Amino acid sequence: GAVVSQHPSRVICKSGTSVKIECRSLDFQATTMFWYRQFPKKSLMLMATSNEGSKATYEQGVEKDKFLINHASLTLSTLTVTSAHPEDSSFYICSASADSATNSPLHFGNGTRLTVT
Amino acid sequence: GENVEQHPSTLSVQEGDSAVIKCTYSDSASNYFPWYKQELGKGPQLIIDIRSNVGEKKDQRIAVTLNKTAKHFSLHITETQPEDSAVYFCAASHSGTYKYIFGTGTRLKVLA
Repeated sequence: GAVVSQHPSRVICKSGTSVKIECRSLDFQATTMFWYRQFPKKSLMLMATSNEGSKATYEQGVEKDKFLINHASLTLSTLTVTSAHPEDSSFYICSASADSATNSPLHFGNGTRLTVT
Repeated sequence: GENVEQHPSTLSVQEGDSAVIKCTYSDSASNYFPWYKQELGKGPQLIIDIRSNVGEKKDQRIAVTLNKTAKHFSLHITETQPEDSAVYFCAASHSGTYKYIFGTGTRLKVLA
């Protein structure tokens, strides 16, 4: 149980275009999902907290107009990288918890490798 | 601010030996400490976790210990196997939130 699916696993796009990444909780409902960014050989950096039915909460330094988050249902959150540039190339990972209580395990998707050319 | 330090950054052990990875956290309000294993090109997978009301937890070859006074927690892997090779991340969760503070990761190599 507690499977988080992320799609696509890899995407290559041209500079200036937008890319949408989907994160789904397959066997549970998630009112809250999280988006992380990971640079090569580095740790995970929390970008934003996605809240079902309300606006996402962004971490300091993350541009909300650049990284649009939509959490329209209890099983789906999307991250759209708008007007992508080469510096946006990275590994993006989402996570969610199957337990509404805090301090419960977060389950991660398999990530999306974004390459902007 | 909140911080989690993780050591070592890289660790090589012979197959069958034990591996220990240590983390130190700064926020005394942290009360949940998960450990994740990340294989190349994949997302982190939860392998074990511990809460602040417990000092030790074991699951087969994996164990985690917690010293709340010193704000230290450690991952112990016994009888290591080549498939244990991966990057391991510790994390600390601030009480009452889902926000994890991750360590910087340990690249474990188990040599056959």
